[in-house]
Amino acid sequence: QKEVEQDPGPLSVPEGAIVSLNCTYSNSAFQYFMWYRQYSRKGPELLMYTYSSGNKEDGRFTAQVDKSSKYISLFIRDSQPSDSATYLCAMQGANNLFFGTGTRLTVIP
Amino acid sequence: DAGITQSPRHKVTETGTPVTLRCHQTENHRYMYWYRQDPGHGLRLIHYSYGVKDTDKGEVSDGYSVSRSKTEDFLLTLESATSSQTSVYFCAISESTRGLGYTFGSGTRLTVV
Repeated sequence: QKEVEQDPGPLSVPEGAIVSLNCTYSNSAFQYFMWYRQYSRKGPELLMYTYSSGNKEDGRFTAQVDKSSKYISLFIRDSQPSDSATYLCAMQGANNLFFGTGTRLTVIP
Repeated sequence: DAGITQSPRHKVTETGTPVTLRCHQTENHRYMYWYRQDPGHGLRLIHYSYGVKDTDKGEVSDGYSVSRSKTEDFLLTLESATSSQTSVYFCAISESTRGLGYTFGSGTRLTVV
């Protein structure tokens, strides 16, 4: 079983839609949960992080962590074409980040 | 990406040849990482360094070696390249072992033929 599972998509939505991206994980010791955004032919960049359970909001982005279900989500409100990218969830291990495979999102104008 | 440079950006090499990829940082961060990214597998850690001459293995270290003789440079060597090592390689840097401050380079696209 992989440490982190993420639906690879692809996901295609119209501009203005609400997007929901999700990951599940198996290691209950994970405490830090991150979302990275990766544009084509670029390296990943940190979008948001959450410590333990709860919600965190940053502009149009909301990250949620449910440790009891080992489930994390990223919501994008009022999605824009510039949000088209691959979104990677990641979780902090002892010396390493464990990444999901990424979900490719396309926002259609 | 500001503060971190990978070279070369693209490389095609033949099976059995040694290959060295370079990661250079100007941020003076202690920790440096090498990841590979493959479809269906996501990013997987190859090796990491927690200081000059201090390195350790990651999840997929077989066939790879690393060296860090200066804070700013972290080299990844494929000792004898194989087709299974065709991938996109990313270097990352951070000030701590927590993933909050990872900065990734733009990647090296390596093809082994």
